[in-house]
Amino acid sequence: DIQMTQSPSSVSASVGDRVTITCRASQGISSWLAWYQQKPGKAPKLLIYAASSLQSGVPSRFSGSGSGTDFTLTISSLQPEDFATYYCQQASSFPYTFGQGTKLEIK
Amino acid sequence: QITLKESGPTLVKPTQTLTLTCTFSGFSLSTSGVGVGWIRQPPGKALEWLALIYWDDDKRYSPSLKSRLTITKDTSKNQVVLTMTNMDPVDTATYYCAHRGAARNFDYWGQGTLVTVSS
Repeated sequence: DIQMTQSPSSVSASVGDRVTITCRASQGISSWLAWYQQKPGKAPKLLIYAASSLQSGVPSRFSGSGSGTDFTLTISSLQPEDFATYYCQQASSFPYTFGQGTKLEIK
Repeated sequence: QITLKESGPTLVKPTQTLTLTCTFSGFSLSTSGVGVGWIRQPPGKALEWLALIYWDDDKRYSPSLKSRLTITKDTSKNQVVLTMTNMDPVDTATYYCAHRGAARNFDYWGQGTLVTVSS
């Protein structure tokens, strides 16, 4: 199985800050990576697919980059509604695997 | 508009079999390239992919749970069914079904259903 490791596990930031979350795959996955946002009690929401493509309807302050084993999700200017948990997911090979999550908290 | 909704028991006893149904609309599981997956999330923990079924009835399972899982589809009813045998308290989780997008991501999700395993 391909292991996905996110860092940090949690981060505190303020509205307006720029935040970057990292996801590392245990082996190369090309660009088969997605990022999801999850708020308490809600289903995950797709933000980024194919490592850097913005899902329709997602604000442009979210961006993704990377290929191979190292990926990043960047939020350029945090908004109050962005405080949530973020997960990466690889879809290069089965079994699909998710990272352990990064909780973004208000400072 | 694509929607999915999970249904099934909220409480099962240890050793019992869990059967969950995903009823969807807005797409057809007979269309080439389409897939529906199941993902679960224990309380306070990360997401775990369980299974996926494709339009052509190809099926993929999590290796760690493969012996306990079965995924099937009923195209006429727009439903996907997941069965998990020999349930254990560690299987307590919210179970989600989701539409698999062209980039192999899950672009539409159901609301999830919490299943508790307890005697």
